[in-house]
Amino acid sequence: DVKVTQSSRYLVKRTGEKVFLECVQDMDHENMFWYRQDPGLGLRLIYFSYDVKMKEKGDIPEGYSVSREKKERFSLILESASTNQTSMYLCASRGGSLGSNQPQHFGDGTRLSIL
Amino acid sequence: QKEVEQNSGPLSVPEGAIASLNCTYSDRGSQSFFWYRQYSGKSPELIMSIYSNGDKEDGRFTAQLNKASQYVSLLIRDSQPSDSATYLCAVISIGSWGKLQFGAGTQVVVTP
Repeated sequence: DVKVTQSSRYLVKRTGEKVFLECVQDMDHENMFWYRQDPGLGLRLIYFSYDVKMKEKGDIPEGYSVSREKKERFSLILESASTNQTSMYLCASRGGSLGSNQPQHFGDGTRLSIL
Repeated sequence: QKEVEQNSGPLSVPEGAIASLNCTYSDRGSQSFFWYRQYSGKSPELIMSIYSNGDKEDGRFTAQLNKASQYVSLLIRDSQPSDSATYLCAVISIGSWGKLQFGAGTQVVVTP
C-alpha cells in the first residue's frame, strides 16, 4: 500500500509567520501534489511536482511556494501566513510519468489555523 | 460551467439498499476516472478507478462509465452505515499532465 505521511495533523500559526508543511511518500513516486480543501470550494490544486526540483503551479499558487529536493519529500511553504490560508491541506502522490493516468493517493491532511 | 459535476446531496439511503451516485464531466477527451470516499474530517481514499466504457465491480462497489454520454456513476450495494461519507468523482483529461479535476462531492447518509 502507498503511504503518504504529512508531518502534522493540526497546526496553529500566527499571521505573518513562515509556515512549512511537509509530506513524505514511500513508493518512489515521481509525482506529488499539494491541495487545499475548504467547505463549498472543494479540492483545489496549489502546486505539483513531477520530478526532483521540478514544480508547476496549480490553480491557486498565490501566497505559496514549494520545494522538492528529494524524490520522497515535497514541502509546501506559506511565505507569510494570512488568515485566509486557514484550511485543510492535503498532500498526494502518484506513480508513473508526467501524464500518467494512475490514481493519486492522499496523506491524512493537515488542518492549519492561522490566527 | 464546472468541469466535473456531482449532485451535492445529501443522498439518504436505507441500510441494505443500493446507493446510486452520478458524475458528469465536460471534457470529451477525459480518459481516466476515479471515485474517492471521504469521511468527515479525513482525507480522500481511493475506492475505484475506471478507464474504459462499461462496468467495473469491486466488492459492493460498481463503477459505470459511458464516455459517449460523458458520465460516470458509482453504485454501492447493500449500503451500510459505514458507507456514510462524501464521495468525490475525479477525472484526468488528455493534456492535463495527469492532474485530477474533482467534483464537489456527493454526501451519502445511510440510515439504519
